[in-house]
Amino acid sequence: AQSVTQPDIHITVSEGASLELRCNYSYGATPYLFWYVQSPGQGLQLLLKYFSGDTLVQGIKGFEAEFKRSQSSFNLRKPSVHWSDAAEYFCAVAAYSGGGADGLTFGKGTHLIIQP
Amino acid sequence: DVKVTQSSRYLVKRTGEKVFLECVQDMDHENMFWYRQDPGLGLRLIYFSYDVKMKEKGDIPEGYSVSREKKERFSLILESASTNQTSMYLCASSSGSRGRYEQYFGPGTRLTVT
Repeated sequence: AQSVTQPDIHITVSEGASLELRCNYSYGATPYLFWYVQSPGQGLQLLLKYFSGDTLVQGIKGFEAEFKRSQSSFNLRKPSVHWSDAAEYFCAVAAYSGGGADGLTFGKGTHLIIQP
Repeated sequence: DVKVTQSSRYLVKRTGEKVFLECVQDMDHENMFWYRQDPGLGLRLIYFSYDVKMKEKGDIPEGYSVSREKKERFSLILESASTNQTSMYLCASSSGSRGRYEQYFGPGTRLTVT
């Protein structure tokens, strides 16, 4: 079965500084990978996704992520964070079992704190 | 815009009650999902459905059942609520197959079982 590891439970970054959130996955075939963000009291919003092709994918709000098959990683980056980026970030992988769309397997999340 | 709505934002129920959580999507999506979210555990898949009247168990189906009588509506049922089912429940929907399509999430229902 697939799994996702987000090794950092909390990360604190100063406003304007760069950000990298780590994500490692375990899946036998080519994965479908996602990053979601959850602001306080809100549902999940998709930041970006990777299915195939270019390993550097661009998302909304200035985020990007790089798929590295050799490291089984899909790290999320942003060059300069804003106070509004404070939220919970989830990495997820989707698998296909043949019966149709499967659900996502999520990491446990990384809580991002922005210091002024 | 895709809209996924959940019947309640907050719900308080007593142990042993039968609880229904309703989810409706307005984008004619084939697939619908129920997750629960707990601090430190992330989101875990309870059940999903890829067609009307079809259902598949997710990772943690014990104590839950689901119903999908219409394409736009997916219900999660707690047959006899227990305190360990106190959690945030999130519904999602997506189109297409092979897991490659974005899932759209509702705002969640925070259920407290006392």
